[in-house]
Amino acid sequence: SQQGEEDPQALSIQEGENATMNCSYKTSINNLQWYRQNSGRGLVHLILIRSNEREKHSGRLRVTLDTSKKSSSLLITASRAADTASYFCAPTSYNTDKLIFGTGTRLQVFP
Amino acid sequence: SQTIHQWPATLVQPVGSPLSLECTVEGTSNPNLYWYRQAAGRGLQLLFYSVGIGQISSEVPQNLSASRPQDRQFILSSKKLLLSDSGFYLCAWSEQSYLNYGYTFGSGTRLTVV
Repeated sequence: SQQGEEDPQALSIQEGENATMNCSYKTSINNLQWYRQNSGRGLVHLILIRSNEREKHSGRLRVTLDTSKKSSSLLITASRAADTASYFCAPTSYNTDKLIFGTGTRLQVFP
Repeated sequence: SQTIHQWPATLVQPVGSPLSLECTVEGTSNPNLYWYRQAAGRGLQLLFYSVGIGQISSEVPQNLSASRPQDRQFILSSKKLLLSDSGFYLCAWSEQSYLNYGYTFGSGTRLTVV
């Protein structure tokens, strides 16, 4: 198993703006997952992108994956105050049965 | 539908006291189960995971232990709590074919050791 590294560590934006956060990893993956954690709550699975996919959409979320650069990005369009949370990426290798999480990106959306 | 229950939500325990946190899953069978801990403002640390009854893998040597007495029950324990055991404990489950699905997390237990 491997750990993704999210960047930036913290991000502050105004409502209506787009938020982009990045994830880098080190070895080949089967898929990469993004999670959101609101303060004091459990993590919520947002989206999973497979290694043979380059882009995936879910509502206001857009995830891209570049396996040649071993990186992924999560774009939240037209952000809302309710998007304020920490976001974690979790790269999943073929021969593992556990997810390792990094320290995440703390997103603050101001109304 | 599948649900995961974790309790208690908050717990304040004195140093040296025992601990038992319970997590149960409904609506699925033979899930993979996980215990994570999160220190204040930090990322998640995987503590234990289980792929079946009685099968426990420990990720970090520490003052804690885990057990899986039933298919959908996962328990985190300690005989004597340390101050450093304080944190936010999260239980999660996944399908055995985790590669195609994400994890589902419980709502967490905030443990404060005093």
